[in-house]
Amino acid sequence: AQTVTQSQPEMSVQEAETVTLSCTYDTSESDYYLFWYKQPPSRQMILVIRQEAYKQQNATENRFSVNFQKAAKSFSLKISDSQLGDAAMYFCASTDSWGKLQFGAGTQVVVTP
Amino acid sequence: NAGVMQNPRHLVRRRGQEARLRCSPMKGHSHVYWYRQLPEEGLKFMVYLQKENIIDESGMPKERFSAEFPKEGPSILRIQQVVRGDSAAYFCASSPRGPNSYEQYFGPGTRLTVT
Repeated sequence: AQTVTQSQPEMSVQEAETVTLSCTYDTSESDYYLFWYKQPPSRQMILVIRQEAYKQQNATENRFSVNFQKAAKSFSLKISDSQLGDAAMYFCASTDSWGKLQFGAGTQVVVTP
Repeated sequence: NAGVMQNPRHLVRRRGQEARLRCSPMKGHSHVYWYRQLPEEGLKFMVYLQKENIIDESGMPKERFSAEFPKEGPSILRIQQVVRGDSAAYFCASSPRGPNSYEQYFGPGTRLTVT
């Protein structure tokens, strides 16, 4: 069984600043993937970044990067140089061996000018 | 290559009616996942299907809900005798391959409102 926990219901950040979203997970899978998805008001689920658990190197996608701590089962997302378009709900998720996603409850990111 | 398509985008049903939600996966994708998002919550897995097979339905309510992915045509999520608690956004995602694949592409969702 998998669980994903996001303990921050909302985070606020000023434009151009950096914000870090926390995520912890638990899984019995030996091989799994971790993701951050963004859900803007349109409700479309947009993949932000993914991490293969067997890779030690932290994934980076432009202004988005993760801090993957496998032993601690922690997977945080850092958004650098925040922009107004980053405002959305962010979900952390993990997969099982069948690919089905287990999502956390989400963190609402508010970006202020 | 068109993305994952879902229709209708919005569906209103009265209590007791049936709801049929359709999902057309991306071209070449033979694996479909359905998720439900209740208001103010994250997405919850419902069912995983391959063409003509249900692989994992551990997230499906035991009654009133069913899903299929026929050889031809879209995947269908069917909810019989809807109740107010079924009001939610239903998302499908498709994948080009199955186990150990992380490539899931989401559709825009169907928002079901039960009055």
